[in-house]
Order: sequence, then structure tokens, then C-alpha cells
Amino acid sequence: QSALTQPPSASGSPGQSVTISCTGASSDIGRYNFVSWYQQHPGKAPKLLIYEVSKRPSGVPDRFSGSKSGNTASLTVSGLQAEDEADYYCSSYVGRNDHWMFGGGTNLTVL
Amino acid sequence: EVQLVQSGGGLVQPGESLRLSCAASGFTFSSLWMSWVRQAPGKGLEWVASIKLDGSEQYYVDSVKGRFTISRDNPKNLLYLQMNSLRAEDTAVYYCARENNWARDIWGQGTPVTVSS
Repeated sequence: QSALTQPPSASGSPGQSVTISCTGASSDIGRYNFVSWYQQHPGKAPKLLIYEVSKRPSGVPDRFSGSKSGNTASLTVSGLQAEDEADYYCSSYVGRNDHWMFGGGTNLTVL
Repeated sequence: EVQLVQSGGGLVQPGESLRLSCAASGFTFSSLWMSWVRQAPGKGLEWVASIKLDGSEQYYVDSVKGRFTISRDNPKNLLYLQMNSLRAEDTAVYYCARENNWARDIWGQGTPVTVSS
């Protein structure tokens, strides 16, 4: 199984919106609605932002939203803020044997 | 407070063994799957293993099958990762994580493992 495909970098100015894509296959993202997104600041543990494609845990700002179309999931960060500068990872359930897969990560820069 | 506190890790030589521990608190440990995720230096996240709530099923990434064992002690609220026959490519920060709603919603602080001669 190959990792899910994310762009290595993304950027935007404060207040703008940025969308990060996560491309998989019909056997993972295309098959299951179990896509999650994580934010990781340098030297810190990842933090869950989105689960089950588009649901937000309590405490996560509604500036973060998730969606899916076919084999591609997306994370949109609206109203960019300086503290949004971090690495972002998608993850998908890939079935009973292989279980979970992560994307390669996207480094988001707030200009 | 819901939290996972990790211990173990360190520097070992290739071929040696190491056991990581993860102490859970603030939630009903026995009611949720748990997993280990690692991150090699400068690299992305990699799922390593998951264990069912009662310990009856375990799943592993191909690269660690036969070498790593995930286990749990529900009465003590502890999760373990026994790592044998360690290789240089196992060098990473290892995170334990709670699986909830088909995602990892609570993470430990991470513990570094370095395999080098």
C-alpha cells in the first residue's frame, strides 16, 4: 500500500482560505468515509482536526472543514491565522488487514 | 483530564529489543481500540499497529510484522509496544493514540527510539 498523496506544501495570507487535497484510491478513501485530518506543530504531537470526512471534535474552530469527492479528500482552512502554520496529515481506513494509512503531509505556510 | 503518558524508548543497537509503555487516564480504557504511530526524523506519520479494545485482535504495518507486538493491560490502563530485532529504519518518535470515531483523537507526548551502532 502506498501512502495517500498530499501536496508537500501550501500557503496563504492571513484571512485567506487554503485547501489541502489528499488523494487515495477506490479501496481506501473512495470506499470508506473514515478520513481524518491532523495538525502537527514542530516538536509536538499531532492533533485531530477532522474525523469521518467532515466532523469536527469539540474545541476545533469551524474555520477547519473537511470534504470528500470520489477518491480525494480535502481540508479547507478558512480565515487563515498565523497559528495555522503547521504540518497537516490526512489518514484513511484501508480495510481490515492494512487498517490505516497516512498521507505524506503538507506544510502550510501563512505568508 | 483525558491523557496518555508514554515511557520507554531510548538508544539501542540493531537487533536489540525495547518496550514502550503508554498509561491512559481520564477515560474508560477498556472500551476503545488503541494504536501506535511513528514518525521518522523529518518524515511523515506512519501507522504501526492497532489493538482491539479487549486485546483479542492486533494489526500491524507490514514492515514490523513478526518483530513488533502490541498488547494492553486493561485493569492497569496500560498499552505496550514490544519491539524486537530493531533496525535502523525503526528510528522514530513513537506515539500512542486512542482510536475513537474511526480516528486517533488523543495522542501521547511521543517517545524517541534510536537504533544505531
